[in-house]
Amino acid sequence: GQQVMQIPQYQHVQEGEDFTTYCNSSTTLSNIQWYKQRPGGHPVFLIQLVKSGEVKKQKRLTFQFGEAKKNSSLHITATQTTDVGTYFCAGPGSGGSNYKLTFGKGTLLTVNP
Amino acid sequence: DARVTQTPRHKVTEMGQEVTMRCQPILGHNTVFWYRQTMMQGLELLAYFRNRAPLDDSGMPKDRFSAEMPDATLATLKIQPSEPRDSAVYFCASGQGTPNYEQYFGPGTRLTVT
Repeated sequence: GQQVMQIPQYQHVQEGEDFTTYCNSSTTLSNIQWYKQRPGGHPVFLIQLVKSGEVKKQKRLTFQFGEAKKNSSLHITATQTTDVGTYFCAGPGSGGSNYKLTFGKGTLLTVNP
Repeated sequence: DARVTQTPRHKVTEMGQEVTMRCQPILGHNTVFWYRQTMMQGLELLAYFRNRAPLDDSGMPKDRFSAEMPDATLATLKIQPSEPRDSAVYFCASGQGTPNYEQYFGPGTRLTVT
């Protein structure tokens, strides 16, 4: 079945440093979504990428979708303590399963103030 | 603003007891998902419904878990009998069911089985 891998599993940074998490799918994706889960909270949708090579920005967050639509990345510039949490990527199933998402294991980001 | 609600938020029970978790999806959302989250396994899809019909429950242990949608405003996940390995956070999520849509998660039910 479809697999979505994320690296790294954990990342600890000093406040102000940059952070990047990578997501790789075993299959080509029609789209990829990113979610953030704060400690003790629930996953919250951040963004969706649909087009090959697409780049989207949300303030200090930059999301990219690979040309082959099998990988994606999330880059945070100048991290802040409010960025702490686990970042998940997720891709839809194929064919008749495209209503469900397969989530990566996530990257836990901690920020030292 | 519209939110997915889940009850109870916390549940502690003894092994062998029945546990029922409830979810109210966002009004107008026709696709509902049940996930389980643990440190070891991450976020696992247990089952999901579209227009109240179960589409996939392959992630669910069939012998003890059951999921239903008695109506469009209520989804339930039942565990009977519960076991310590069921301890986890259970999330419900809903979406509009069109391709390329996002999911909205509820706050979760933290289940501890002793």
